[in-house]
Amino acid sequence: SYVLTQPPSVSAAPGQTARFTCGGNNIGSKSVHWYQQRPGQAPVLVVYDDSDRRSGIPERFSGSNSGNTATLTISRVEAGDEADYYCQVWDSLTDHVVFGGGTKLTVL
Amino acid sequence: QVQLVQSGAEVKKPGASVKLSCKASGYTFTGYSIHWVRQAPGQGLEWVGWIIPPSGDTNYAQKFQGRVTITRDTSSNTVYMELSSLESDDTAVYHCARGNYDSTGWADFWGQGTLVTVSS
Repeated sequence: SYVLTQPPSVSAAPGQTARFTCGGNNIGSKSVHWYQQRPGQAPVLVVYDDSDRRSGIPERFSGSNSGNTATLTISRVEAGDEADYYCQVWDSLTDHVVFGGGTKLTVL
Repeated sequence: QVQLVQSGAEVKKPGASVKLSCKASGYTFTGYSIHWVRQAPGQGLEWVGWIIPPSGDTNYAQKFQGRVTITRDTSSNTVYMELSSLESDDTAVYHCARGNYDSTGWADFWGQGTLVTVSS
């Protein structure tokens, strides 16, 4: 089955840039979606189809995908961005949904 | 507005079954798939399965094959997920989420989650 690999944690100071990677075999050929999950809340879709921002999501959030790595970037990090971030793809071979293990953002 | 409202928390004994519900409103129920995703305490998101409401077609993660059944009632815009032979490792928050028509894309709206606790 298809596997997505995310680092467990990322940290950034307010105003800095945070980057979240999502690794997978030839992930650049798939559409990657990103979710933000704050403690005790349901996940929220922030970026879909690699780089499209969902309505209402700040322009500080952007995505890219190429080769074996997809990346979510948060520019000008704010304290309110502290959350877990998950990448997700659809595996066409199995018709299954796959999530990465998630990355926790700590705002210093 | 799109809403997915889930049933309340459940406490079950090992070996029992649990059936959760997810009532959709604010959109055309038959135009979108519904996924179930669970999250064990302190762990990440784990996809359980999906259903396509118009046809009732389903697909389940290998891990849950034979133990999970997702169904729908188009008259009440409700999706159900039944998980049997419960073990302590099934203790988790279970979310339903709206996917695209054929389940191949993202999940744009999520239910509030239902906590299932499995304990003797």
